Amino acid sequence: DGGITQSPKYLFRKEGQNVTLSCEQNLNHDAMYWYRQDPGQGLRLIYYSQIVNDFQKGDIAEGYSVSREKKESFPLTVTSAQKNPTAFYLCASSIEDRGVVNEQFFGPGTRLTVL
Amino acid sequence: GQQLNQSPQSMFIQEGEDVSMNCTSSSIFNTWLWYKQDPGEGPVLLIALYKAGELTSNGRLTAQFGITRKDSFLNISASIPSDVGIYFCAGQKYDMRFGAGTRLTVKP
Repeated sequence: DGGITQSPKYLFRKEGQNVTLSCEQNLNHDAMYWYRQDPGQGLRLIYYSQIVNDFQKGDIAEGYSVSREKKESFPLTVTSAQKNPTAFYLCASSIEDRGVVNEQFFGPGTRLTVL
Repeated sequence: GQQLNQSPQSMFIQEGEDVSMNCTSSSIFNTWLWYKQDPGEGPVLLIALYKAGELTSNGRLTAQFGITRKDSFLNISASIPSDVGIYFCAGQKYDMRFGAGTRLTVKP
């Protein structure tokens, strides 16, 4: 089955620790995205990547880092510099067609709680 | 970035009723998308609209791409309990922007 997987589903960390969230897709999509979702708000873009070994900051990149070493993988690290990291994190992917953004498909999400 | 205004924020309806929600923006978009999110899960794409004025149905769902390209609406007819969830609109031009969501509760 093709799709996007995120792990773990729930993650608890102590304040001051870095934590890495996994995102894998087997849809052969070029573009991948990370969003943060807070209660009552729309999705906010953290980082995105249109091609391997390249990524761009989104609207709220501060305190986060990413890598894109493989097409199918786009891990997100929430660093200790992120002031309010407790949130629901969503990974998405889409076909990239000559700069045109296509509809995005989402993973099941990871709920991060920082204690 | 440009903001999407989605309304209403929440709706409480009786099973069998029809539902309507909409999104507006000050900017134009090339694509409008509607997603549904169940609690604790990722959003699932319901309908994608690619042309101004386009009206598209998916079962009991109908969505339209506004003629000005600055708005879209989603209708759900004859609601059922499993329609419960949060519905998001998304507008896409160079990147994708999301509305804050409409939380739908359906009472049996």
